[in-house]
Formats: sequence, structure tokens, C-alpha cells
Amino acid sequence: DAGITQSPRHKVTETGTPVTLRCHQTENHRYMYWYRQDPGHGLRLIHYSYGVKDTDKGEVSDGYSVSRSKTEDFLLTLESATSSQTSVYFCAISPTPDGVNQPQHFGDGTRLSIL
Amino acid sequence: AQTVTQSQPEMSVQEAETVTLSCTYDTSESDYYLFWYKQPPSRQMILVIRQEAYKQQNATENRFSVNFQKAAKSFSLKISDSQLGDAAMYFCAHWMGNEKLTFGTGTRLTIIP
Repeated sequence: DAGITQSPRHKVTETGTPVTLRCHQTENHRYMYWYRQDPGHGLRLIHYSYGVKDTDKGEVSDGYSVSRSKTEDFLLTLESATSSQTSVYFCAISPTPDGVNQPQHFGDGTRLSIL
Repeated sequence: AQTVTQSQPEMSVQEAETVTLSCTYDTSESDYYLFWYKQPPSRQMILVIRQEAYKQQNATENRFSVNFQKAAKSFSLKISDSQLGDAAMYFCAHWMGNEKLTFGTGTRLTIIP
């Protein structure tokens, strides 16, 4: 399995608090992605990174920020969590953007509940 | 915007039988890639099969095969000899060169013993 670790695996927090999710990889892949998964929506891209300090927005980026100061770590931050951000969050990595030679590999997900 | 549509929220199949999951997508590109991912209850996302649009031959991986109809923008997944371990959510995904995968909403597959 591709070496991806998401932390924490589960988190419960209150509305208005800041939350940071971490994705750590040991594969030295260039591309890293954050998705959220909600019933009826599948997986939707929040932000992605194509290199250290190089990031871009996905389709549901409002309320989220990311940082990538090292190849191996990609952080997702909710500056002030809202109940609508309750979801399962997945990190994925890939050496190329097209997933052809090596597809995106996913972490095990973080279940985040905001009360 | 890219869209991927899975019109079957749930499907069920008898063990050892064959089932086909549907997926349609929207694109104006001629070169792109399509994927099927499986998500079992463990929540892992596992790549099942992928198809390059420029290849006319349908992709096959053991019991899993696709029916790729480029003109119709259809990409269905056929699972033969269904097994209990095939029970999962299945997601269709589309990549067309913009560094992003677009996923469908998923089909939950139940295997009946």
C-alpha cells in the first residue's frame, strides 16, 4: 500500500473552533489532494498541491485553507469550523496528475464531526 | 464543468451472478481517462479499473470489466461471478487533463448470499 497517513482518524469539535487535519506521505509524490465525502455528493475536491508551497483550489474550497511546506506533509485547516463541514475527509497522493501510470492513492479518511 | 453521473444509488446482485453499474460523463475533450473506485465499509478507496479514452479496447481486470462507449459518453462496470467481498460503494471518476479527478455520487452494491 502507498504510504499515506491521515491524522487524526476521528475528531469531534465545536462550531467556531479551528481544526487542522494532517496528511503525511512517504512516497515522495508530487501531487497531494484533499477531498470531502458526503452522502449524495461522492468525493469533492477541496484543495490540491502540485509541489511544495504550490496549491490550488478545488470545487468546494470555501472555508478551507491548505499548506504544504514539505513534500511529505499537506495540511488542511478549517479556520472556524461550521456544522456544514461535518464530513469524512480524504487525502490522496499521486506522482502525476493524470493517475494513468500510477493512480491516486487514498488515505483511510478522517471523520470530522462539528457540533 | 465536468460532470459524472451515476444514476443507480443502490444495486443488489445474487452471489455468483453478474451485475453492471452505470456511469455517464460529460466532456468536450477527446483525450481523457476514466476510473472505477471501490470503497468497502473500511472506507478505503481502492482503484478497480481504468480506461484511457484513446483506447478502443475495453479494460479488463480479472472479474471486472468495462463497457466504454465514447460516443455515448458511457462507462459502465461489469462485475462477473459476484463475491461477498465485492459489497461496497463504487465510484466512477473522470480526469481530463486539469489535474483533478471528478467523481460521481456512487452506487452502493449489495451482494445477496
